[in-house]
Formats: sequence, structure tokens, C-alpha cells
Amino acid sequence: ELKVEQNPLFLSMQEGKNYTIYCNYSTTSDRLYWYRQDPGKSLESLFVLLSNGAVKQEGRLMASLDTKARLSTLHITAAVHDLSATYFCAGPYYDKVIFGPGTSLSVIP
Amino acid sequence: GAGVSQSPRYKVTKRGQDVALRCDPISGHVSLYWYRQALGQGPEFLTYFNYEAQQDKSGLPNDRFSAERPEGSISTLTIQRTEQRDSAMYRCASSLDAQYEQYFGPGTRLTVT
Repeated sequence: ELKVEQNPLFLSMQEGKNYTIYCNYSTTSDRLYWYRQDPGKSLESLFVLLSNGAVKQEGRLMASLDTKARLSTLHITAAVHDLSATYFCAGPYYDKVIFGPGTSLSVIP
Repeated sequence: GAGVSQSPRYKVTKRGQDVALRCDPISGHVSLYWYRQALGQGPEFLTYFNYEAQQDKSGLPNDRFSAERPEGSISTLTIQRTEQRDSAMYRCASSLDAQYEQYFGPGTRLTVT
């Protein structure tokens, strides 16, 4: 079965800094999803990456997918406090979608 | 338009009672998923529907859990003879089709006392 790992699990970063969250998955997949969850809220879709080499950007967040390496990255540029949340990557496995454990991001002034 | 809705939002029940959790997906969404999410963890897959067909129920923990989507729209997750370990946030999500992103509902917080 597909296993999805994220690194780091907890991240505290200063405003204005850059950082990358890594998502590794165990079996071949041609799709990868990123979601955001604010404390006490539901999950919100950020990106759908549909092919090897796919790159998507929205504001200060950029996601990429390398299916050969089974790796997706979520890069944060010039972090701001509003980006504080938990970020999940997820991949399909037959009819299931398997979520990673999440990366809890805290952006501090 | 309206997003995914779930009801009730909170449910407190006594051990041994049956509960039914409802999910109303976005209109026209073919795919519907149920998840369970423990605090501080990612959503755990329970089951998946394509229209009214339950395509995968491998994530249901045991036979006390069942789900249906009889007309390909609203879905119900039923837990029989609830146990304390069933206490969790239950989330429903829908998508246009399986390859698209999922839209999550607000969840039902189930507490079994």
C-alpha cells in the first residue's frame, strides 16, 4: 500500500524566510495533492500535480512533483504569518487517497 | 455555490448506541470519500463512492461501520454499537471525479461516552 511521509513534521520559521517541505511516497503515482488545514478547520485544496515535472505556484507557495524520485516539494517564499497552518500531501492508491502525517508550520515575526 | 455539508456537526452518544453521520456533497460531484481524522494527524481513508457504487471500503475499521450513497448524492456513514475508540472527527469530501482535488466538509465531531 502507498505510504506517504512528510519532512519536517514541525516547522517554525521567521517571517521573510524561505523553506521547503518534502513529501515522499512509496509507490508509483502520477498525481499528488497538497492541502492546507487551519487549526480547528477543515482541509482546503492548494495544488493538484498531475504529471512528472509539474510545477504550480500560488502566491508565496510553489509545489513540484518528481514522479521518478517519488518526491513532491512545497516551497515557501518570504513566509508571512498567514501561512501558519498544517500542510498535508496526499497521493492516490487505486481508489483511495492516502494522506501524509502533515507538516505543522508556524511563522513567527 | 454551496460546499460540502455534514450533519450533525457534533454528536455525543453513549457507548453501545448507533449513530448516523450525513454528508451532502457538492452538486454534480461523482466521487465521495469518508475519512476519520484524529487530532494532530492526517485524514485516514475509510471508504470511497463513485456515484452510488461503493468502490472501496477497505478503510472501514470493522463491520460495525457501514456507508451508503443510494442515489449517488447524499451519503450516510453509520456506526453501530459505538465504542469509545470510535470518538474522532469524521470528514466527508467530494470531487468532480477521482483525479481532481477533493472538497472537504466541516466534519462531524463524534464523542462516545
